[in-house]
Amino acid sequence: QVQLVESGGGVVQPGRSLRLSCVTSGFTFDMFGMHWVRQAPGKGLEWVAAIWFDGKTKYYGDSVKGRFTISRDISKSTLYLQMNSLRAEDTAVYYCARVHPKAAYYYGIDVWGQGTTVTVSS
Amino acid sequence: DIQMTQSPSSLSASVGDRVTITCRASQDIRNDLGWYQQKPGKAPKRLIYGTSSLQNGVPSRFSGSGSGTEFTLTISSLQPEDFATYYCLQQNTYPWTFGQGTKVEIK
Repeated sequence: QVQLVESGGGVVQPGRSLRLSCVTSGFTFDMFGMHWVRQAPGKGLEWVAAIWFDGKTKYYGDSVKGRFTISRDISKSTLYLQMNSLRAEDTAVYYCARVHPKAAYYYGIDVWGQGTTVTVSS
Repeated sequence: DIQMTQSPSSLSASVGDRVTITCRASQDIRNDLGWYQQKPGKAPKRLIYGTSSLQNGVPSRFSGSGSGTEFTLTISSLQPEDFATYYCLQQNTYPWTFGQGTKVEIK
């Protein structure tokens, strides 16, 4: 079945970097767009970043633009989120998510990972 | 960026009640809206896509309606397993944006 498994979370000091991974299985990875969504402790969902199926088109939320980079490795069916210049407000559970290959605007996110926790603290 | 204003932020209801949650978009998003349910410690789950299409396996007591800037999620008869937090998500324009969430609690 379709699975998304995130890893790479942990405790990191402000200003440092961290890379999250999301290993996927059960579907043809290079046909689907992929997103990252995060949730700070006790708060709502915040959309973070998206990468289209071709790996060339990328979008970012305002709060992470210029600091985070989304990428994908087709050969490994893996999605990444490189997070630089981390701040306390980046503390959250980070979810990777799959979107419909042709009409993401209509179908939205259909599969979510279980999340990985990032804590930014000195 | 498109702002999604979701209301109410929380509500208390009894089993069997009809519940309505509203999302308002700051600009026209056609029908590019989804509704998601999240239970504590779990990943969100899609309930509705394209404003009114029901995700496979989701009970028919859930329904969505609206278009343009006003959208509604309705639970026709609240069940014990429906106590959760609900979010709308606009998928029309990047960056995508979520509503603030509505926590549905037991009365």
